[in-house]
Amino acid sequence: AQSVSQHNHHVILSEAASLELGCNYSYGGTVNLFWYVQYPGQHLQLLLKYFSGDPLVKGIKGFEAEFIKSKFSFNLRKPSVQWSDTAEYFCAVKGSSNTGKLIFGQGTTLQVKP
Amino acid sequence: NAGVTQTPKFRILKIGQSMTLQCTQDMNHNYMYWYRQDPGMGLKLIYYSVGAGITDKGEVPNGYNVSRSTTEDFPLRLELAAPSQTSVYFCASSPYIDSSYNSPLHFGNGTRLTVT
Repeated sequence: AQSVSQHNHHVILSEAASLELGCNYSYGGTVNLFWYVQYPGQHLQLLLKYFSGDPLVKGIKGFEAEFIKSKFSFNLRKPSVQWSDTAEYFCAVKGSSNTGKLIFGQGTTLQVKP
Repeated sequence: NAGVTQTPKFRILKIGQSMTLQCTQDMNHNYMYWYRQDPGMGLKLIYYSVGAGITDKGEVPNGYNVSRSTTEDFPLRLELAAPSQTSVYFCASSPYIDSSYNSPLHFGNGTRLTVT
């Protein structure tokens, strides 16, 4: 069965610090990988996604993620965080089944101090 | 274009009561999903549907039922509410079957349910 593990549950950073959130998945086949963000009181929104091609994908708001197949990882990065990046971040994986369903990680709460 | 609409936004139930969480999408998406979100647990898939008339269980289906009589609507039913069902429920939809397609989920704004 597919699963997703996010290593950091709660991260606190100061503005301008660099961010890296870990994500590992377990699935042996072809995967599609996603990072979603949930700002306080809002629904989940797509940050970025990987389907194929360049393993370094760029998303909105300066976020990027690197797919490393050999490590089953899809870590999220941002060189310099802002207070407005305070949110919960979810990594998700979709396998090659035709159901389209995503399996989510536990989430990482990011708090950016001004 | 409203996207995915969930009602109600908030609800408090007593143990043993029943209710239906409504979800409607106007994007003509075939695929619809119900997730619950609990602190520290991420999102867990309850049920999903790949088209009208077709539903299937997700990771945590116990205590819930769904139906999909139309493409637009995917209601989630709680028959005998229990405190363990206190959660935030998100409905989502997606247009495509093929996982190679660029098809992220579109989420509704959620329903916060408390069972006491």
